[in-house]
Amino acid sequence: GDSVTQMQGQVTLSEDDFLFINCTYSTTWYPTLFWYVQYPGEGPQLLLKVTTANNKGISRGFEATYDKGTTSFHLQKASVQESDSAVYYCVLGTTSGGNYKPTFGKGTSLVVHP
Amino acid sequence: GALVYQYPRRTICKSGTSMRMECQAVGFQATSVAWYRQSPQKTFELIALSTVNSAIKYEQNFTQEKFPISHPNLSFSSMTVLNAYLEDRGLYLCGALRGGDTEVFFGKGTRLTVV
Repeated sequence: GDSVTQMQGQVTLSEDDFLFINCTYSTTWYPTLFWYVQYPGEGPQLLLKVTTANNKGISRGFEATYDKGTTSFHLQKASVQESDSAVYYCVLGTTSGGNYKPTFGKGTSLVVHP
Repeated sequence: GALVYQYPRRTICKSGTSMRMECQAVGFQATSVAWYRQSPQKTFELIALSTVNSAIKYEQNFTQEKFPISHPNLSFSSMTVLNAYLEDRGLYLCGALRGGDTEVFFGKGTRLTVV
């Protein structure tokens, strides 16, 4: 079945540090790849998505490249801010038999200190 | 914009009792609704995916007998947790999808505490 492996646990950074969150996926279908972000007390919300292999998604300074060769979709940001503190989820979206299913990674908690 | 409201936001029920939670899509037609449970460790488990006019598909470890879902129209869905026990605690999230789209719009969740 479909699966997403994401760097778990907590990442602690200082403002202006570089962010890298690892994500790899496994599927037999042609996926759409997403990063969702969840702030405290909120539901997850879409950060960025990429539907085509080798394309890059960019949003709010975050970026991720759909690398079909390494089946990866790592999230990066050059300079984090305290307001980026949240939980980040790598998500794999696949369609099988006409049914669409999003599969979440286990989430990575980002804490940014001022 | 596309908004999803869930209620109640928090609920406490006694062990062995049942509770119902609701999900309302505003500003778009929710052709499909995914119900998730989020653990205290922030992990998501997909409970079931419901598409209007299709059978509801439950994931392994979740059953209709335990988590009956109703999705009667394009703006509303509900799920009941029957005979809730401690292991059912968590944040239940409703994610709604527009037909042909892949982005999931989430509500803020219903937090279930079982005592």
